[in-house]
Amino acid sequence: GESVGLHLPTLSVQEGDNSIINCAYSNSASDYFIWYKQESGKGPQFIIDIRSNMDKRQGQRVTVLLNKTVKHLSLQIAATQPGDSAVYFCAENRGGDSSYKLIFGSGTRLLVRP
Amino acid sequence: NAGVTQTPKFQVLKTGQSMTLQCAQDMNHNSMYWYRQDPGMGLRLIYYSASEGTTDKGEVPNGYNVSRLNKREFSLRLESAAPSQTSVYFCASSDTVNNQPQHFGDGTRLSIL
Repeated sequence: GESVGLHLPTLSVQEGDNSIINCAYSNSASDYFIWYKQESGKGPQFIIDIRSNMDKRQGQRVTVLLNKTVKHLSLQIAATQPGDSAVYFCAENRGGDSSYKLIFGSGTRLLVRP
Repeated sequence: NAGVTQTPKFQVLKTGQSMTLQCAQDMNHNSMYWYRQDPGMGLRLIYYSASEGTTDKGEVPNGYNVSRLNKREFSLRLESAAPSQTSVYFCASSDTVNNQPQHFGDGTRLSIL
């Protein structure tokens, strides 16, 4: 069935390196994508979003890339810090509305080595 | 700035007991949501309320009911709790009028024995 998935369940990076977390989606009608960060014992925290009319969007130390041709989404974190250690989820909206019915992937755990 | 507040933070129930999880947001958002998150998984939508006075089923609504009490508050009720409903429950809200993303509370950890 259709799903939002992640290629790597766990990603370990050295502090100061760049991190790339990937996500595949299967519904070409999805038009809105969000990355969330979830720390232990906390709710998901919004990081960055992108709409299907864009290929790239940058925030503070984060960049999201959207490749609609291959239905692929990535989150790049520059100069990864220990505070970036968390589980990262991508989510897509399939309903045509701005943020109803988000479908979440299963998450990637990012571990930052000192 | 409280954002989305959920109560209680932890609860243990016996099978068959009933329970209402409370959620309130202070961001004047029109839409609110309830999700569950099971170990090692992403969030699954239980119910949502696009606006005050409306509620709709999400992906996993069976065994739950919701009430959009007013614009600020959205409650989730388990009428007869089952062990399969042991999970972490998250409430979220969003301003869909202005196409803004969902913001989440810190969850209610519910165990059903």
